[in-house]
Amino acid sequence: RKEVEQDPGPFNVPEGATVAFNCTYSNSASQSFFWYRQDCRKEPKLLMSVYSSGNEDGRFTAQLNRASQYISLLIRDSKLSDSATYLCVVNSARDDKIIFGKGTRLHILP
Amino acid sequence: DAGITQSPRHKVTETGTPVTLRCHQTENHRYMYWYRQDPGHGLRLIHYSYGVKDTDKGEVSDGYSVSRSKTEDFLLTLESATSSQTSVYFCAISESTSRAAFFGQGTRLTVV
Repeated sequence: RKEVEQDPGPFNVPEGATVAFNCTYSNSASQSFFWYRQDCRKEPKLLMSVYSSGNEDGRFTAQLNRASQYISLLIRDSKLSDSATYLCVVNSARDDKIIFGKGTRLHILP
Repeated sequence: DAGITQSPRHKVTETGTPVTLRCHQTENHRYMYWYRQDPGHGLRLIHYSYGVKDTDKGEVSDGYSVSRSKTEDFLLTLESATSSQTSVYFCAISESTSRAAFFGQGTRLTVV
């Protein structure tokens, strides 16, 4: 099983809709989780950290389910500018590595 | 934005030549990482550093070496470039393993 797995998509979603992504991780001892956004031909940028109690930042909500070993990202009222690839990131519990999922592509349709 | 710069931003080199990419940070972060990104593979860790002169291998380290002689610089060397090393290379820095990492703008390397 890969350390971090994501559905590659693409998710084609109409503007204004709500979309959710999940990401699973294999190491139950992992402690730190993040969502990044990457635009075409650009570097990944931190979107939000994921806290145990769940957290929200505007239209974005991130949640952690330790029992099932997945994190999720919910985007409400999606905008055209939300079109990007969303990367799930887990900090390895075994060493100092930061492990990225391969990303989920999101296309917001006008 | 985090103070992290990569150089060069673009490079074309010939097969068999050595190439060195530089990552420079002004944040005094302990951890530095080199990734490569290719279609269908996502970001793959090449090498990382957890302090000056402290480095370790990632999942795709063959054909690459690194050095970190001071906190602010992390160098990635392709000992003898091959066409399979054509890629986009990203450097990232992090204060600790429980904190988010921040990326440089990337280096596009083409090996012909």
